[in-house]
Amino acid sequence: AQKVTQAQTEISVVEKEDVTLDCVYETRDTTYYLFWYKQPPSGELVFLIRRNSFDEQNEISGRYSWNFQKSTSSFNFTITASQVVDSAVYFCALSEGRSGGGADGLTFGKGTHLIIQP
Amino acid sequence: NAGVTQTPKFQVLKTGQSMTLQCAQDMNHEYMSWYRQDPGMGLRLIHYSVGAGITDQGEVPNGYNVSRSTTEDFPLRLLSAAPSQTSVYFCASSYSNTGAGRQETQYFGPGTRLLVL
Repeated sequence: AQKVTQAQTEISVVEKEDVTLDCVYETRDTTYYLFWYKQPPSGELVFLIRRNSFDEQNEISGRYSWNFQKSTSSFNFTITASQVVDSAVYFCALSEGRSGGGADGLTFGKGTHLIIQP
Repeated sequence: NAGVTQTPKFQVLKTGQSMTLQCAQDMNHEYMSWYRQDPGMGLRLIHYSVGAGITDQGEVPNGYNVSRSTTEDFPLRLLSAAPSQTSVYFCASSYSNTGAGRQETQYFGPGTRLLVL
């Protein structure tokens, strides 16, 4: 069975600090897909990134970066120079096998509530 | 494109009442799913569909029914609402395969907040 663990329930930092959100996953499949979503206070789910299991290349997008390590089954998310607008709940999610888009749906972690204080 | 739409945005029910949460997408996605979000629990999969006429159960299907008569619509039915079904419900859709330039991921609707008294 697949599982996603986000051990950090809540993180609070001061603006401009760097912050890393941890995600550890479990799956028996050799082909799988990992995602990060952002849920701001308004409640919608905003897609941030999708990563295939066969592509361990790290990715940087502006102030966001992702570190995917199959050896430790982790897909961590770092925000550099955090801003108040980054305050949100962040979810890591996993999809196995036949479709990277989630034919069988996604398995979500419980989320990390990130608070950026001005 | 409107993307994924959900109606209503908010609903109050009494225990035992029935209702249908509507979900529609105009992106011609084959895959559609329903999730519920409860405080501290993340999102949990209720039911999903890989195409018209095909549905299957997710992690928490009890108390919910679905059908998929068209590609565009995927309604979620509560036959006899219970207070434990108080939650925020999200519908999502995605492509079945990766076409050129497609970012294959699930697109989520804005959610329906349901309160069962």
